[in-house]
Amino acid sequence: DAKTTQPPSMDCAEGRAANLPCNHSTISGNEYVYWYRQIHSQGPQYIIHGLKNNETNEMASLIITEDRKSSTLILPHATLRDTAVYYCIVRVADQAGTALIFGKGTTLSVSS
Amino acid sequence: DSGVTQTPKHLITATGQRVTLRCSPRSGDLSVYWYQQSLDQGLQFLIQYYNGEERAKGNILERFSAQQFPDLHSELNLSSLELGDSALYFCASSVGSMGVYGYTFGSGTRLTVV
Repeated sequence: DAKTTQPPSMDCAEGRAANLPCNHSTISGNEYVYWYRQIHSQGPQYIIHGLKNNETNEMASLIITEDRKSSTLILPHATLRDTAVYYCIVRVADQAGTALIFGKGTTLSVSS
Repeated sequence: DSGVTQTPKHLITATGQRVTLRCSPRSGDLSVYWYQQSLDQGLQFLIQYYNGEERAKGNILERFSAQQFPDLHSELNLSSLELGDSALYFCASSVGSMGVYGYTFGSGTRLTVV
């Protein structure tokens, strides 16, 4: 699986959009970008995933650059409850014998 | 409630002992994954089972073993426990064997070895 690079920490004001970047310059054509988050010692929570098109769901939007070497997770109106560690993971979706491998992620702090 | 149930929530035991952690996957999910999270190592993948069979193996120690039963619940057995085994242990489940649409995690078991 391709390696990802995320900033170790970010701050965001409550009510503003939180834009979390992820660099995956060695991504291959069949690798998806997955985002998870972990709120203080709770189990990680799936947010969104995509291959090359931008994706949106009730939680967030995922913007993937045209060359697919980087992506941005957007939380449109961050709240205090969005304070968490956010993990960007690149993985071949249908690869047998593998599982999600978590890196260090980005600690997002949302403040009022 | 994610639908993945882990028991017990907390466990305190002595070095050298053996413990069993239990996980019931979300209804309809056939895959179960085990992860270990300690302060200095982050989330480490241990092992995956799909419909009773081992499918993927990560950094699981020989002192640790797991299995998935016909009713799809899974158990992680940790033996000859050491202080360094103190960690949060998470179970996750997914519908298929690849987890294409994401994993659902339980709330974890916090193991403290004293």
